[in-house]
Amino acid sequence: DQQVKQNSPSLSVQEGRISILNCDYTNSMFDYFLWYKKYPAEGPTFLISISSIKDKNEDGRFTVFLNKSAKHLSLHIVPSQPGDSAVYFCAAYTGKLIFGQGTTLQVKP
Amino acid sequence: SAVISQKPSRDICQRGTSLTIQCQVDSQVTMMFWYRQQPGQSLTLIATANQGSEATYESGFVIDKFPISRPNLTFSTLTVSNMSPEDSSIYLCSVYLGLSAYEQYFGPGTRLTVT
Repeated sequence: DQQVKQNSPSLSVQEGRISILNCDYTNSMFDYFLWYKKYPAEGPTFLISISSIKDKNEDGRFTVFLNKSAKHLSLHIVPSQPGDSAVYFCAAYTGKLIFGQGTTLQVKP
Repeated sequence: SAVISQKPSRDICQRGTSLTIQCQVDSQVTMMFWYRQQPGQSLTLIATANQGSEATYESGFVIDKFPISRPNLTFSTLTVSNMSPEDSSIYLCSVYLGLSAYEQYFGPGTRLTVT
């Protein structure tokens, strides 16, 4: 029973363009939704979060959108930079973190 | 933030043996967590380790297989016991600093291969 799903294992975009990473969830009781970023041989690092009562949160180049009716959230990165190339994990929180499988983003120069 | 180190960074072990993974934090923290990431899978919480009490294990994980120690507020160990190839994973520790309930800081992970 996978409560948080990232259906795209990989995404490739051109530098300067928008990257959109998607995530679906099944449990409407989640309090917060988060995105973590992971570089090889490093642990995941917290990137941005959104409360379940919000529909948008922005932090610099990163914006997270939450569509509760669709149980869907997305991370937009604008403009994308080569240093953004990493694995991005969507996670949901209700007492503990539940992670998606991750999406590998490659930003090409 | 917190600086978290793990030892070893990687290991190759034979089935039937055990491996103890260490996690060291540069500040005192109440809650530490151990996760497993199997190949191509998501991070899965194994247990929560609080200093001075027994670890709390998630469904599907048992103390006999994954004993955890938490001797003080900056250190914890996870042992993977009687290993089989299915235990080949990345094991990560993380900490909660109390700033927000969901923001955790992760160590670099231990890549374990069981042959």
